[in-house]
Amino acid sequence: GENVEQHPSTLSVQEGDSAVIKCTYSDSASNYFPWYKQELGKGPQLIIDIRSNVGEKKDQRIAVTLNKTAKHFSLHITETQPEDSAVYFCAVPANQAGTALIFGKGTTLSVSS
Amino acid sequence: DAGVIQSPRHEVTEMGQEVTLRCKPISGHNSLFWYRQTMMRGLELLIYFNNNVPIDDSGMPEDRFSAKMPNASFSTLKIQPSEPRDSAVYFCASRTGRTNYGYTFGSGTRLTVV
Repeated sequence: GENVEQHPSTLSVQEGDSAVIKCTYSDSASNYFPWYKQELGKGPQLIIDIRSNVGEKKDQRIAVTLNKTAKHFSLHITETQPEDSAVYFCAVPANQAGTALIFGKGTTLSVSS
Repeated sequence: DAGVIQSPRHEVTEMGQEVTLRCKPISGHNSLFWYRQTMMRGLELLIYFNNNVPIDDSGMPEDRFSAKMPNASFSTLKIQPSEPRDSAVYFCASRTGRTNYGYTFGSGTRLTVV
C-alpha cells in the first residue's frame, strides 16, 4: 500500500521568514496531494491541494509544489505570521481508487514574533 | 453549513465500559471517514463508508471496535469493552462522492479511558 513520510517533525521560524515542509510518497500512481492545518483542539482543515497534472499551486502566502519524478511534494509558507503556528499534515490517497487518505506524521510549526 | 458535527467533545470512561461516539456529516456528502489520532501513531484511518456502506474496515484495531452508518446523516463508532490504550482523539470526516477531493473534519472526540 501507499506510504508517506513527512519532514521535518518540528520547525521553528521567525515571523516574516519562509517555512518549507516536505513529504515523500511511494506509489507513483498517486495523483492527489492535499495539505491540512490543525490548530490546538480542532480538527485538521484543508488549506491547499494539488493534482498531478500541475507542478505548482499558490494561494496567497501558501504554495504547494509537486515533483512526480522524485515522488515528493512540499508546502511553502512565505512571510510567516504567529497565526501560522500549528501542526501541518500532508496526505496521499491510500490506493488508486482514491477514496481514503493516509496522512503524514505531521510537522509542528512555531512562528515567533 | 454547520460542518461535520461530532459528539461528545470529551468522554471519560472506566475500563470495560461501552463507549459510543457520534458523527453527523455535511449534508450531501456521500463518504464518511473515522480516524484516530495519537501522539505515537498520528492520524490512523479506522473505517470509511460510501453511501452508508462500509467499504474498508481494515484499520479497525480489534473486534472491540464497530461502526455503523444507518443513514446518510448519522454514524456511530462504538468501543466495547473500552481499554486505556483506546485513549485518543477520534475524528470523523466527510466528503462528496468524488474521489481525490479533500475532507472536512469534525472537531473530534477526546476519549480518556481510566
